[in-house]
Amino acid sequence: KNQVEQSPQSLIILEGKNCTLQCNYTVSPFSNLRWYKQDTGRGPVSLTIMTFSENTKSNGRYTATLDADTKQSSLHITASQLSDSASYICVAGGGNKLVFGAGTILRVKS
Amino acid sequence: DAGVIQSPRHEVTEMGQEVTLRCKPISGHNSLFWYRQTMMRGLELLIYFNNNVPIDDSGMPEDRFSAKMPNASFSTLKIQPSEPRDSAVYFCASSPTGGYGLGEQYFGPGTRLTVT
Repeated sequence: KNQVEQSPQSLIILEGKNCTLQCNYTVSPFSNLRWYKQDTGRGPVSLTIMTFSENTKSNGRYTATLDADTKQSSLHITASQLSDSASYICVAGGGNKLVFGAGTILRVKS
Repeated sequence: DAGVIQSPRHEVTEMGQEVTLRCKPISGHNSLFWYRQTMMRGLELLIYFNNNVPIDDSGMPEDRFSAKMPNASFSTLKIQPSEPRDSAVYFCASSPTGGYGLGEQYFGPGTRLTVT
């Protein structure tokens, strides 16, 4: 069954701290892995898109990693800011489908 | 560019009524996607158009849902008759490239639908 599982479901961290969000997928065939950030009341915004052959991709303070062998991806946020508070959605793509994870809700507090 | 435009932003209707959601994709984009998001099910792809042609409608929940794209700058998602379980946020997204590959998808602000 094609599915994407994200952990943790929710996370609270202090401003300035780092955090890592996890994504495990079972999608076949697999070609790409995306991370989206969704602010409350808004549409998702793409952070990174990686092909199956890429191991890491950065977008500012966001760094995504991909291990296609273990079917795992992570999103690392460095020096968190209050504006990082959002839902982060992992999406695995391949063939003729996109499979969405349920998201991790991150709250950054001062 | 104004980005993907959706209307209305909020819709409240009674069960049994027809609902039409509208989307204007980013100019020059040839792919358009309709999504539904709920707390229970997360983000779900409903239908995908490429060059105005429906390519994948396997996510459309049932015959009450229909989508059209009469031209490159406009799409509608219609629910008739609406039911309370259709209450959700509906997103439209467009992409400059086709398929489920590496094309970046740009999401609109969404339409929050409440069916009472």
